Amino acid sequence: GAVVSQHPSWVICKSGTSVKIECRSLDFQATTMFWYRQFPKQSLMLMATSNEGSKATYEQGVEKDKFLINHASLTLSTLTVTSAHPEDSSFYICSARSWGWSDTSTDTQYFGPGTRLTVL
Amino acid sequence: KNEVEQSPQNLTAQEGEFITINCSYSVGISALHWLQQHPGGGIVSLFMLSSGKKKHGRLIATINIQEKHSSLHITASHPRDSAVYICAVKRANFGNEKLTFGTGTRLTIIP
Repeated sequence: GAVVSQHPSWVICKSGTSVKIECRSLDFQATTMFWYRQFPKQSLMLMATSNEGSKATYEQGVEKDKFLINHASLTLSTLTVTSAHPEDSSFYICSARSWGWSDTSTDTQYFGPGTRLTVL
Repeated sequence: KNEVEQSPQNLTAQEGEFITINCSYSVGISALHWLQQHPGGGIVSLFMLSSGKKKHGRLIATINIQEKHSSLHITASHPRDSAVYICAVKRANFGNEKLTFGTGTRLTIIP
């Protein structure tokens, strides 16, 4: 099946530093990737939709200058949490949209394993 | 009221029991996903449905578009099935790729 990877799987950083999280589609091209945030015992919350070669679309309430998204190729999107603070500690998950992939009849999303960010 | 509601929120069962998790939604959809999230956090896509029924191993997913309802069934449940199961819907708007998520059902299977 389609595989989406994330790196790193976990990261601990000091308050005020920036952290970059990578999301890669390993065996398919993803024109669209999604970034989610999940707080403990809550459901996933969409942060932004990332389209290859264009600016990301952010959900209401998500600061685009704080959460920088770059989707430079069809297999890689990055989320940079700038000037991280303890309240940014969360589980960040990406998904990649597969459309017209060889053995899928309709488009679907494949999820990465997530990145746990802890800001001290 | 959430657009996607799941029940029950928590479910504990003995190994071998037949499990049913329900999902109801209030918007028009083009597809519904069932996802599994293990304690480590990683999410696996189990099914994507737009009609009818799908089966994969011990897992069965059904959807009734008219009633805006889907169910996920697990036969011969096993402790390794313990996870959070999440229902997510894709709205039936052209070009709308976003998923709307339910709050999840935490399943615990006791040996």
